[in-house]
Amino acid sequence: DGGITQSPKYLFRKEGQNVTLSCEQNLNHDAMYWYRQDPGQGLRLIYYSQIVNDFQKGDIAEGYSVSREKKESFPLTVTSAQKNPTAFYLCASSRQGHTDTQYFGPGTRLTVL
Amino acid sequence: QKEVEQNSGPLSVPEGAIASLNCTYSDRVSQSFFWYRQYSGKSPELIMSIYSNGDKEDGRFTAQLNKASQYVSLLIRDSQPSDSATYLCAVNTGRRALTFGSGTRLQVQP
Repeated sequence: DGGITQSPKYLFRKEGQNVTLSCEQNLNHDAMYWYRQDPGQGLRLIYYSQIVNDFQKGDIAEGYSVSREKKESFPLTVTSAQKNPTAFYLCASSRQGHTDTQYFGPGTRLTVL
Repeated sequence: QKEVEQNSGPLSVPEGAIASLNCTYSDRVSQSFFWYRQYSGKSPELIMSIYSNGDKEDGRFTAQLNKASQYVSLLIRDSQPSDSATYLCAVNTGRRALTFGSGTRLQVQP
């Protein structure tokens, strides 16, 4: 049963903490993406990766970091430098690159206490 | 000017009617276009993709693309209450990941 999984579903962070959001896919997709969605807003691109060990900043990368050590995994770390991290975080993947259809995981809702 | 623009709505239609959702984009080199449906609190799910000018039909859904006028639309025939959701238009220029509009909220009244 192929798909994209994200964990945890809900995450609470205290101010000053770093937290890591997990994203795993078993679709054998090359490209993976992280988006952020705020209430009533569209999706904004944080980071994307087209191949293992390579990734690029999106529109709002400040305060976030990623790694792509395995094809299946693309974890996102929200650092204490991100001043307003409360949002819905969505991971997506596509078969090869930018023109391919993107499929989304179920999302992680992060709340700063 | 936003790269991808959608009317935020809500667009309210009676059950059984045709819902028409519109999207305009600014980058003329855009190559591929997608419509996603997002229920409240859930992640987006793909409805349709379209790459060439004209219409593309899939069941009750029809996507229309006009590259000269830089707009893409989604028609939903025989709208059902279960179609009530936010519809996101996404555009891919081929240079980076998808650019999303802010979405149109559709309400189908029983």
